[in-house]
Amino acid sequence: DTAVSQTPKYLVTQMGNDKSIKCEQNLGHDTMYWYKQDSKKFLKIMFSYNNKELIINETVPNRFSPKSPDKAHLNLHINSLELGDSAVYFCASSSRTNSYEQYFGPGTRLTVT
Amino acid sequence: EDQVTQSPEALRLQEGESSSLNCSYTVSGLRGLFWYRQDPGKGPEFLFTLYSAGEEKEKERLKATLTKKESFLHITAPKPEDSATYLCAARSNDYKLSFGAGTTVTVRA
Repeated sequence: DTAVSQTPKYLVTQMGNDKSIKCEQNLGHDTMYWYKQDSKKFLKIMFSYNNKELIINETVPNRFSPKSPDKAHLNLHINSLELGDSAVYFCASSSRTNSYEQYFGPGTRLTVT
Repeated sequence: EDQVTQSPEALRLQEGESSSLNCSYTVSGLRGLFWYRQDPGKGPEFLFTLYSAGEEKEKERLKATLTKKESFLHITAPKPEDSATYLCAARSNDYKLSFGAGTTVTVRA
């Protein structure tokens, strides 16, 4: 009965490749997020969607493109992967009627070789 | 720019040895101070939200408090299962959540 799920859990790929990470939430939330956690464990917001509309778009390379087909899904597509993209990517969701508490998925560990 | 700083970076405790973690924040228009717990290889797990100075929240051996500039997470009589990284985050009035680097707590039996 997973609340926020991500696939894949691990992703190993070579520089220059294009890859996608998928996220789904079954909490009925209307807002979803992508975070990047680097080797120093800092969690940084990348994007946020509310009801399929982009509301937060931090300064990330335009090789990263989020897509929200519906409010339960938020995918992250990355083009031309670089070594520095290696990190753990977390999806999260929240509800504007529930104090903005964010619930996180298990993370996707991306390794670019 | 919004900033959240946690201290100490790491804390080693003996089982039963109470202690406190600090989170100092500088955000524009605080709209909530959040505490999360993160176990290795997992996503952060929500613990508490605090909104105004003087507010306190408790859950089992954990108690979170908030002042105008910082928040504390008190761990009372910790057990080994309380070992984790505790993350603090502050939400500003533009909906963004800024996280601290976390405090890694290790409780020895």
